[in-house]
Amino acid sequence: NAGVTQTPKFQVLKTGQSMTLQCAQDMNHEYMSWYRQDPGMGLRLIHYSVGAGITDQGEVPNGYNVSRSTTEDFPLRLLSAAPSQTSVYFCASSGPNQPQHFGDGTRLSIL
Amino acid sequence: GNSVTQMEGPVTLSEEAFLTINCTYTATGYPSLFWYVQYPGEGLQLLLKATKADDKGSNKGFEATYRKETTSFHLEKGSVQVSDSAVYFCALLMDSSYKLIFGSGTRLLVRP
Repeated sequence: NAGVTQTPKFQVLKTGQSMTLQCAQDMNHEYMSWYRQDPGMGLRLIHYSVGAGITDQGEVPNGYNVSRSTTEDFPLRLLSAAPSQTSVYFCASSGPNQPQHFGDGTRLSIL
Repeated sequence: GNSVTQMEGPVTLSEEAFLTINCTYTATGYPSLFWYVQYPGEGLQLLLKATKADDKGSNKGFEATYRKETTSFHLEKGSVQVSDSAVYFCALLMDSSYKLIFGSGTRLLVRP
């Protein structure tokens, strides 16, 4: 009964470092997405994918890359971390016309 | 464009008080509507949903009715508990779309 699994749960980076946030789902969902959540700003869509091999930008894509080589996995890459990317990151997945299922989040701090 | 507007928080209530969190939407078609809840330190969980006008979604004592005439989907609970303290998000999903559009969230704090 895993649902959407995000790793790691917590991470501290230095400015300029790169890293990949992992997201996996076991529900065979076509749609996957990444959000960031900042105080007072709700959820903002970073990137999304409607199927393997297909990705697109959301509201705030700058500084992030994604790929979707399989239905199950949708990793988010920070190319060169900046303090402005300190946030809580959520991955979500869904089928068509269905509500999204969310992971538990990755809490990322960039010093 | 499509959007969701929620009342600003925080909303502070005493235990057993009546709760209303307002949500209105703007949409070019006929969306499905959702309430998600986020407990401290956790991800978002679907609380309830409604897919067409006049539908009432309900779960864990919470209710919301899809009102097309007022483009609203207000969340209500008759008697809140301390354990209901969380952030509540209203969201819409257009037909044949995957992308949820969220409101900014409303924090609820219930005091014993």
